Amino acid sequence: EAQVTQNPRYLITVTGKKLTVTCSQNMNHEYMSWYRQDPGLGLRQIYYSMNVEVTDKGDVPEGYKVSRKEKRNFPLILESPSPNQTSLYFCASSLRPKKDTEAFFGQGTRLTVV
Amino acid sequence: DQQVKQNSPSLSVQEGRISILNCDYTNSMFDYFLWYKKYPAEGPTFLISISSIKDKNEDGRFTVFLNKSAKHLSLHIVPSQPGDSAVYFCAASGSHGSSNTGKLIFGQGTTLQVKP
Repeated sequence: EAQVTQNPRYLITVTGKKLTVTCSQNMNHEYMSWYRQDPGLGLRQIYYSMNVEVTDKGDVPEGYKVSRKEKRNFPLILESPSPNQTSLYFCASSLRPKKDTEAFFGQGTRLTVV
Repeated sequence: DQQVKQNSPSLSVQEGRISILNCDYTNSMFDYFLWYKKYPAEGPTFLISISSIKDKNEDGRFTVFLNKSAKHLSLHIVPSQPGDSAVYFCAASGSHGSSNTGKLIFGQGTTLQVKP
């Protein structure tokens, strides 16, 4: 089954404790990205990757890191989480980085930083 | 600033009636628009899209209309069914001054409730 898998689904952590949210897709998609969803703001792009070893900042990259060592995986790293990073996070992938290509989303990771 | 806006946070309609969800955008560089549907505890799923060269695209019960001069699009669901109850996100894509053409700019979402 074609899918984007995120883990964990739920995470409560303390300020400053490094964490990683994993994302994997099995569709051989080139383009992957991370979004966060906050009330009243919709989904905003954090980072994106055009292909292996090619990553760049989205609209809200502060406090996040990513890597793309393999085509299928695109982990999101929070080196020192803060309460303002409490949010619902979605990983997405698209076949290619083109405007007319639909994105497939993971099920989401609800992160709470206390 | 919100480049894509969904000004109605919620909408409630009776089963069998038409649901109309609206979306406005400000950036004239957007030339491709998508609607995503999201159920609780799931990720958004693609519903329907429209290119700026068209003013209408239809897929079964779902039709998206685009008015470029007004920078407005709408999603019509006819007839509405209880299973359509979800959050609907409008999204825009295009060159918008960047090479990141896979990027989606989302609206805030509208929660649709279809009552039996």
